[in-house]
Amino acid sequence: DIQMTQSPASLSASVGDRVTITCRASQNIRSYLNWYQQRPGKAPMLLIYGASNLQSGVPSRFRGSGSGTDFTLTISGLQLDDFATYYCQQSYSIPRMYTFGQGTKLEI
Amino acid sequence: QVQLQQWGAGLLKSSETLSLSCAVSGGSFNGYYWSWIRQSPGKGLEWIGEINHSGRTNYNPSLKSRVTISADTSKNQFSLELSSVTAADTAVYYCARGNREYSGYDNYWFFDFWGPGTRLTVSS
Repeated sequence: DIQMTQSPASLSASVGDRVTITCRASQNIRSYLNWYQQRPGKAPMLLIYGASNLQSGVPSRFRGSGSGTDFTLTISGLQLDDFATYYCQQSYSIPRMYTFGQGTKLEI
Repeated sequence: QVQLQQWGAGLLKSSETLSLSCAVSGGSFNGYYWSWIRQSPGKGLEWIGEINHSGRTNYNPSLKSRVTISADTSKNQFSLELSSVTAADTAVYYCARGNREYSGYDNYWFFDFWGPGTRLTVSS
């Protein structure tokens, strides 16, 4: 199985800050990496697919980058709504076998 | 707007079988894969398996022996059965739509719509 490791596990920031979350895959997954945001009590919401493609309706302050084994999610100009938990997820495995990172909690 | 509505038992005893269903509205059932994903404090988000409109399935190998995912395309619904549950199966269970975008030779799969989740507690 492909293992996904996120860092840090938690992160403190303030409104207006720029933050970066890292996700590392246990093997080369090219650009088959997605990012999700989850607010408490809610289902995850897709932010980025294919490592760097912004899902429709997602604000442009979210940016994904990376390929191979190392990926980052950068959020610029943090807003109150952005304080949530973020997950990466790989979709490289064939046959399809999706795995998620353990999450990064972004706190005020 | 695509919506997923899910339902099923929220409290089971060890060794019983979990049955959940998910209804899709506001969009086509065809052309996508429909997944079940669970979330527990101990294991985080864990993909369980998926099915498409033709009945083709893929399962997480770690759960494959206990999982059955089926679909009723006439109702735009799909279902999950997980047998012989234990306390380790206590989690919030989500249904989700697997969609893809083509980019050159790449075929990016992702989950773009999710159900609200069903909390399952397994007691001994």
